Amino acid sequence: GQQLNQSPQSMFIQEGEDVSMNCTSSSIFNTWLWYKQDPGEGPVLLIALYKAGELTSNGRLTAQFGITRKDSFLNISASIPSDVGIYFCAGRGPVHTGTASKLTFGTGTRLQVTL
Amino acid sequence: GAVVSQHPSRVICKSGTSVKIECRSLDFQATTMFWYRQFPKKSLMLMATSNEGSKATYEQGVEKDKFLINHASLTLSTLTVTSAHPEDSSFYICSARDREVTGELFFGEGSRLTVL
Repeated sequence: GQQLNQSPQSMFIQEGEDVSMNCTSSSIFNTWLWYKQDPGEGPVLLIALYKAGELTSNGRLTAQFGITRKDSFLNISASIPSDVGIYFCAGRGPVHTGTASKLTFGTGTRLQVTL
Repeated sequence: GAVVSQHPSRVICKSGTSVKIECRSLDFQATTMFWYRQFPKKSLMLMATSNEGSKATYEQGVEKDKFLINHASLTLSTLTVTSAHPEDSSFYICSARDREVTGELFFGEGSRLTVL
């Protein structure tokens, strides 16, 4: 089945630093999504990407849909303590693969921000 | 944005009992809802797709008789863990998509099940 590998698995950064994480797939996705999950909560959608090469921002967050459709990255600029959490990428495959209605989640990147 | 609510958020039960978790879309209609399971420090694993008015579609390896899913209306899906055992302890999360085909998924707050 499809797998999404995220890196890094975890990172400790200082407040104010920029953060970058990425997600790679062994197969093509038509949609890339980035979610944040706080402890004991469900994921919250941060950014959705629908076209290869698309670059989209949401406040301090910027994400790009890789041109090969097999990867995506998320950048967080000027991190703040409330950015702490787990970030998941998720992808949705092409219709002909039968996976268009399902989301495949990445392995997650745990972010910790120190003052 | 759209709101998806789960209930209960936490439940503790004895081994052998059944537990029902509800997932409601509060301000939109959802023809499709999804149920995920998440182990500590792990990613979300899709268990099944719940379709309003029809049978759920289960992912490979998920026991249909163990995890009963009912999607009786456009705003409610339920997951019943039958004859629960300690290994069923987990964080269960539902998500729902707006009726529009291109709508993205919105997730509930999750339900933590602990089976003693």
